[in-house]
Amino acid sequence: AQSVTQLGSHVSVSEGALVLLRCNYSSSVPPYLFWYVQYPNQGLQLLLKYTSAATLVKGINGFEAEFKKSETSFHLTKPSAHMSDAAEYFCAVSGSNQGAQKLVFGQGTRLTINP
Amino acid sequence: ETGVTQSPTHLIKTRGQQVTLRCSSQSGHNTVSWYQQALGQGPQFIFQYYREEENGRGNFPPRFSGLQFPNYSSELNVNALELDDSALYLCASSVDRGRSEAFFGQGTRLTVV
Repeated sequence: AQSVTQLGSHVSVSEGALVLLRCNYSSSVPPYLFWYVQYPNQGLQLLLKYTSAATLVKGINGFEAEFKKSETSFHLTKPSAHMSDAAEYFCAVSGSNQGAQKLVFGQGTRLTINP
Repeated sequence: ETGVTQSPTHLIKTRGQQVTLRCSSQSGHNTVSWYQQALGQGPQFIFQYYREEENGRGNFPPRFSGLQFPNYSSELNVNALELDDSALYLCASSVDRGRSEAFFGQGTRLTVV
């Protein structure tokens, strides 16, 4: 079975500061890992994904994440926060459900950017 | 290339009623998955349809059912609505039922009163 834990339901940073959103996973098979962003009243947009290639993954909007198998982590970072980054962020692992490759999501982290 | 579209965007239903939500998958995608996102929670997998057949189901009761049509669009039906069914329902399509990327629609906000 697969599961995801996002540490910190709320993160607040100043504009221009480093963004770090934490995600730890559990998976019985080599994981595929994803970060999605959700703006208010909208669906989910894929930021980046890890699919067993390079451990450092670069995504859209300046975000990147590093897969660390020894720590079972996939933390999301951005060097310099922008006001437009304020949103809900979800980490997800791809797991199997009776043959269906479902996504198992964490509880989400709400990112607030202070001017 | 059109993305995943869902309809309606919002609706309000009374407890005990039935509701149908619709999803048009992205062009070229034959797999549709449905997720329920309660307020303040991450999305939860309901079920997946692949080439018109259910291909896996999450921990949801049988009153949650679905269909997929020959054009790969899909419906989610919920019978005997309960207050706890109030949530954002998300549809995601992918190019196949494997571990390919899922593209999400904007969701349908269902409120049960």
